[in-house]
Amino acid sequence: GEDVEQSLFLSVREGDSSVINCTYTDSSSTYLYWYKQEPGAGLQLLTYIFSNMDMKQDQRLTVLLNKKDKHLSLRIADTQTGDSAIYFCAESKDAGNMLTFGGGTRLMVKP
Amino acid sequence: DAGVTQSPTHLIKTRGQQVTLRCSPKSGHDTVSWYQQALGQGPQFIFQYYEEEERQRGNFPDRFSGHQFPNYSSELNVNALLLGDSALYLCASSVSGSHYGYTFGSGTRLTVV
Repeated sequence: GEDVEQSLFLSVREGDSSVINCTYTDSSSTYLYWYKQEPGAGLQLLTYIFSNMDMKQDQRLTVLLNKKDKHLSLRIADTQTGDSAIYFCAESKDAGNMLTFGGGTRLMVKP
Repeated sequence: DAGVTQSPTHLIKTRGQQVTLRCSPKSGHDTVSWYQQALGQGPQFIFQYYEEEERQRGNFPDRFSGHQFPNYSSELNVNALLLGDSALYLCASSVSGSHYGYTFGSGTRLTVV
């Protein structure tokens, strides 16, 4: 079945760049998403990328997709303490289809 | 513009009981999906409703059922609660066929004792 894997934890200093990695197994994944979850809250969509793209940039966020290796990354430039949260990558096979999530990466930003 | 609204925010139930969780989608959204998020894990897809019909279902037993109303709001029902059903239940709404992802509510924290 489908599987999405993420590293559990990442710690960075304020002002540095953060890179959160994700691997997925299903080659039919068409849409890939990054969500952010703060304590006690739901999930906030940060950005998404289509499988026919290699890169997408949105302000401080850069998403890189290596479809051959089924590897997705999220780079956060100039990381701030407010970026401390859990980040989930997710994939779906079709628009509006169910999302399969990774286990989440906890990002801790130290002042 | 209100986003996705879920009620209640917290709930404590006893093993064997039944529970109903409610969700109002974001204005303009016609599709509602439900996810279960156990502590320390990613959300797991339960099912999706569109036009008052269950359109997709994840690997959850029949104890989990749902409903969508003509105004697009939705309910999630869980019968014969087990301790393992304790989790954050997230409702997500979207526009059918849209690839822009889902808007999630803040969830209902269910504790089964």
